[in-house]
Amino acid sequence: AQSVTQLDSQVPVFEEAPVELRCNYSSSVSVYLFWYVQYPNQGLQLLLKYLSGSTLVKGINGFEAEFNKSQTSFHLRKPSVHISDTAEYFCAVTDFIQGAQKLVFGQGTRLTINP
Amino acid sequence: DAGVTQSPTHLIKTRGQQVTLRCSPISGHKSVSWYQQVLGQGPQFIFQYYEKEERGRGNFPDRFSARQFPNYSSELNVNALLLGDSALYLCASSPTSGPYNEQFFGPGTRLTVL
Repeated sequence: AQSVTQLDSQVPVFEEAPVELRCNYSSSVSVYLFWYVQYPNQGLQLLLKYLSGSTLVKGINGFEAEFNKSQTSFHLRKPSVHISDTAEYFCAVTDFIQGAQKLVFGQGTRLTINP
Repeated sequence: DAGVTQSPTHLIKTRGQQVTLRCSPISGHKSVSWYQQVLGQGPQFIFQYYEKEERGRGNFPDRFSARQFPNYSSELNVNALLLGDSALYLCASSPTSGPYNEQFFGPGTRLTVL
């Protein structure tokens, strides 16, 4: 079964500073990876996804992530954060079993932007 | 276009009671999945339904059950509620049940068990 580890439970950064949220997944032959964002009292919104092809994936709101197969990582980055980026971020991998698409999520990283 | 909708938004129940949560997928989506998100944790997979059939089940007891209707909407039922069932219950829809699908999440139903 697939698993995901988000290495930081909380990341505080100053506004306009760069940020990297780290994610490692368990190895598999085929892997489909996702980053979701959850704002307070809301559901999950997809930031970006890696299915195949280019290892650098660009998403919404200026976020990007790099798929690294040798290090089994899928770290999320943004060159300059804003107050509005304050939220919980979840890395997820697809575990496709018995015909079901099961998303396996990490524990989440709380990103706090300080002015 | 309307996104995934869930009802009710909030719910308070007492131990031992039963609860039904509802989800309407995005129009054209035939797959609905349910997740439980306990405070401070990532969502945990409960069920996936596709074309009205259960396609997969997570590590949850038989107190949890679900069904999907001909219009692809879905209900999640939880019997004999425990305090530990308090969580945000998220519904997600996707066009099919394939592994590469983006799952679109609803706002969730916050269940509190007293």
